[in-house]
Amino acid sequence: AQTVTQSQPEMSVQEAETVTLSCTYDTSESDYYLFWYKQPPSRQMILVIRQEAYKQQNATENRFSVNFQKAAKSFSLKISDSQLGDAAMYFCASITQGGSEKLVFGKGTKLTVNP
Amino acid sequence: ETGVTQTPRHLVMGMTNKKSLKCEQHLGHNAMYWYKQSAKKPLELMFVYNFKEQTENNSVPSRFSPECPNSSHLFLHLHTLQPEDSALYLCASSQGGTGKTIQYFGAGTRLSVL
Repeated sequence: AQTVTQSQPEMSVQEAETVTLSCTYDTSESDYYLFWYKQPPSRQMILVIRQEAYKQQNATENRFSVNFQKAAKSFSLKISDSQLGDAAMYFCASITQGGSEKLVFGKGTKLTVNP
Repeated sequence: ETGVTQTPRHLVMGMTNKKSLKCEQHLGHNAMYWYKQSAKKPLELMFVYNFKEQTENNSVPSRFSPECPNSSHLFLHLHTLQPEDSALYLCASSQGGTGKTIQYFGAGTRLSVL
């Protein structure tokens, strides 16, 4: 069974600074996908970034990038030049290709951005 | 706006009531999902539908009854709920139910059971 662990319940960052959110996962599969979702107070879960396990290159989306360490089963999210609008709950999630459609989530990290 | 709309946004019900949650997606997707989000717990997948057929029931109590009349609409019928069922219920949709597809979420229904 897949598991996803986020060890930081809360994090804070100063506006314009960089912050890294941690995530580790466990799976016995070789083909899987990893995601970071953002859930602001509006409650709408929004995809931030996606990583395909067979790709060695780390995914990037503007100010968001990941550090994917497959051997260590680590998938951290780096937010550069943090903005007030980045304040939200961030969830790490994984899904196995070819298996059931179960997207397994971590418990989330609450990010506060200080002006 | 992700193209997935959930109604109502908030719902308060007694344990003997019957109510329904509605989800509609405008993205042309063929897979739809119900998740439960409780405080301090990871999101839990409840049900999955692919092309209107239920493909996953994650050991959900029978007091939750899903219905998917077509690929664009998903309902969750609620009856004789318990206070511990109070949570945020999220709907999602995707194009195809494989791992590589992205799930798009609605804003959820905040349910309180008294």
